[in-house]
Amino acid sequence: KAGVTQTPRYLIKTRGQQVTLSCSPISGHRSVSWYQQTPGQGLQFLFEYFSETQRNKGNFPGRFSGRQFSNSRSEMNVSTLELGDSALYLCASSFNTGELFFGEGSRLTVL
Amino acid sequence: DAKTTQPPSMDCAEGRAANLPCNHSTISGNEYVYWYRQIHSQGPQYIIHGLKNNETNEMASLIITEDRKSSTLILPHATLRDTAVYYCIDGSGGYNKLIFGAGTRLAVHP
Repeated sequence: KAGVTQTPRYLIKTRGQQVTLSCSPISGHRSVSWYQQTPGQGLQFLFEYFSETQRNKGNFPGRFSGRQFSNSRSEMNVSTLELGDSALYLCASSFNTGELFFGEGSRLTVL
Repeated sequence: DAKTTQPPSMDCAEGRAANLPCNHSTISGNEYVYWYRQIHSQGPQYIIHGLKNNETNEMASLIITEDRKSSTLILPHATLRDTAVYYCIDGSGGYNKLIFGAGTRLAVHP
């Protein structure tokens, strides 16, 4: 079956802009979580959605937001981009167990 | 912050077993131990998880000590494609919230 699909794979933005990233989970998975990966901080949890409700949130500023649709697809948005937001953003889906299936990520570069 | 500790790097010869240790001394009684790995430029890949019994699947074996304060991931016959960063994670985050540490960078060499 198809894996987790993230779009776009690569994007370049400038400071102050906003960005929206999309994630399509594996069919049947209702949990979608987002992670940020940077060389300095490693993999950090952003938030997790289950059945359109945010169940858990990491320690990121309010500029980072997300949502989940009724078909379990999810989007995350980062507003007022800063240079430090340059990162690989990873989405993972799950059947609501600890076995997460990750996508290949969206690599964001902020100039 | 991550609640597990792992050696930063390890080496293994191709064809030999790779034994990756992890300490999770603060794990609670109902929290699982998860292992993931990340091959360069790819998303993390689930390997195995366990609660208190040893587990085995097609990828690896997981040995958890009786006091549950540590575990070992065993790749029985390492190949070059097993070169990756391996993460040991306890289930303290809850609800699919994985708290990653720095992991162990495993290098498999010919």
